[in-house]
Amino acid sequence: KQEVTQIPAALSVPEGENLVLNCSFTDSAIYNLQWFRQDPGKGLTSLLLIQSSQREQTSGRLNASLDKSSGRSTLYIAASQPGDSATYLCAVRYSWNSGGYQKVTFGIGTKLQVIP
Amino acid sequence: DAGITQSPRHKVTETGTPVTLRCHQTENHRYMYWYRQDPGHGLRLIHYSYGVKDTDKGEVSDGYSVSRSKTEDFLLTLESATSSQTSVYFCAIAQGTDTQYFGPGTRLTVL
Repeated sequence: KQEVTQIPAALSVPEGENLVLNCSFTDSAIYNLQWFRQDPGKGLTSLLLIQSSQREQTSGRLNASLDKSSGRSTLYIAASQPGDSATYLCAVRYSWNSGGYQKVTFGIGTKLQVIP
Repeated sequence: DAGITQSPRHKVTETGTPVTLRCHQTENHRYMYWYRQDPGHGLRLIHYSYGVKDTDKGEVSDGYSVSRSKTEDFLLTLESATSSQTSVYFCAIAQGTDTQYFGPGTRLTVL
């Protein structure tokens, strides 16, 4: 059974700091890993998708890395801003059954607060 | 943003009543999913669909049924609502195995 863990559960940093969010998963046989952002009372917004053959993806101030063999991914946020305050979730896609369905398992998330 | 809407956005109902939540997409994506999100549990898959009239169970499907008669609509029905089904329900869509796009969510309270 795939389990996804995100540490820390909550993080508070001053504006301008660079920060790293961590995601670990137990089964390295994944297809891809995705990072999402969720604002309070809202749905999930996709940030970055890393395929299993890739090591990292970048979008603006965000950089996500994937080390499949160790079951880890990190989301790096450069020069954090108050608008980055949200909950960040990672999700891994993997083969679930013999029928070929690929399931997605989510972590519980890291709640980030960037203080002005 | 992907064109996904959910209705209703908020609902309060009583134990034992049937409830239907609707997910509507304008993206013509093949795959549609229903998740529930609860504190301490993250998102958990209830049911999913891989085409019109093609659906299957997720990890927390007991007490729920789904139907997909058209590509654009995926309905989630709570056959007889219980307090344990109080949650926020999210619909998601995907084309293939890449990015999932999420709807805004439905907050359901069962009294």
